[in-house]
Amino acid sequence: NAGVTQTPKFHILKIGQSMTLQCTQDMNHNYMYWYRQDPGMGLKLIYYSVGAGITDKGEVPNGYNVSRSTTEDFPLRLELAAPSQTSVYFCASRQGWTGEQYFGPGTRLTVT
Amino acid sequence: GQQLNQSPQSMFIQEGEDVSMNCTSSSIFNTWLWYKQEPGEGPVLLIALYKAGELTSNGRLTAQFGITRKDSFLNISASIPSDVGIYFCAGFITGANNLFFGTGTRLTVIP
Repeated sequence: NAGVTQTPKFHILKIGQSMTLQCTQDMNHNYMYWYRQDPGMGLKLIYYSVGAGITDKGEVPNGYNVSRSTTEDFPLRLELAAPSQTSVYFCASRQGWTGEQYFGPGTRLTVT
Repeated sequence: GQQLNQSPQSMFIQEGEDVSMNCTSSSIFNTWLWYKQEPGEGPVLLIALYKAGELTSNGRLTAQFGITRKDSFLNISASIPSDVGIYFCAGFITGANNLFFGTGTRLTVIP
């Protein structure tokens, strides 16, 4: 199993542009998550999904959108990027009944 | 949301020394998790604890689920340079959708 994969690994975006961060997991996990981590800080939950077709907001959802059309994929969309969205973005997944989340390698995004 | 307080925030230790860190919460959890994040990487699960009082080891790492269910401890014995990273605790309540993460302990090991 590849686990949780994320693309791209790095990206530079201009202010006002849009992009989609990709996340795929091959563990057949129901739950998937998007976090952002600012330099020297902890993880903040952006959005999560409890299964295909179901998504919900986390702690910091403004400026982002998600969709979950399949169990495997959970893309994160940034519309009208702002410098405040410069961060490292992590995707994670877990099974239904246990708490363990498994993280992807992250996407480092710079908005200038 | 629930706050998990992790301490210390950072540690500078000599290679070979033992390390202790802890995580406390105002709420009870059913599961405690410990993650390690190396520079430029995603967090990696080290240890999962499911029962109050449980003591679990993973190599040189030992973690304990506090008896009150509101805290957890992680010890690293005989530290080595590759132990460098940020260690996060996380608490989980059965049936909840999300984890609650601590703010992390940044460990630096001086050779």
